[in-house]
Amino acid sequence: AQKITQTQPGMFVQEKEAVTLDCTYDTSDPSYGLFWYKQPSSGEMIFLIYQGSYDQQNATEGRYSLNFQKARKSANLVISASQLGDSAMYFCAMREGHGNNRLAFGKGNQVVVIP
Amino acid sequence: DAGVTQSPTHLIKTRGQQVTLRCSPKSGHDTVSWYQQALGQGPQFIFQYYEEEERQRGNFPDRFSGHQFPNYSSELNVNALLLGDSALYLCASSLVPGLAGDYEQYFGPGTRLTVT
Repeated sequence: AQKITQTQPGMFVQEKEAVTLDCTYDTSDPSYGLFWYKQPSSGEMIFLIYQGSYDQQNATEGRYSLNFQKARKSANLVISASQLGDSAMYFCAMREGHGNNRLAFGKGNQVVVIP
Repeated sequence: DAGVTQSPTHLIKTRGQQVTLRCSPKSGHDTVSWYQQALGQGPQFIFQYYEEEERQRGNFPDRFSGHQFPNYSSELNVNALLLGDSALYLCASSLVPGLAGDYEQYFGPGTRLTVT
């Protein structure tokens, strides 16, 4: 069964606008962590943001914020003030259990920022 | 501060051959994980090494093996290559699981393997 689901088709977003990327997850472990990575065409996975299952506040890192809705098992990424350099694939990932940093990834969302 | 490095960048092999990919972790990290990313897919976990031993393994056949050296660098070996092994192979480094900050995983640029 898929642990991470990203189902949005490719998205076009206007420069300077915000974009929300959806991610739902499936786990029965009370301790888990959720990640978002950016992968430009060069291939390198760039860490953006992390949310632990016990974190009380939604994670934020600069223009990135994570809308964590635990009961709905969703962890959507919000990118504010989009820039041309934000054009990339975006992957949601999860690790389960304490002391485990093996990641399960979704299939990714393609974002293209247009001027 | 050197990040994760991988070599080679690209590789072309013939079906049935063997390949070795290399990874050096980010400075201060001692755990290395390998992932396979097929075209259009998310990365799939292959295995993880720390203290020079394989600690976790994903759903990959024994043709995939690895090694970690005392300096924490790692190799991924794939024997009897199949066309389906064509993919981007990513290495990620982190701290030993269970330590504070162990969630931080940094990825290298990957090795793109093409099997013909």
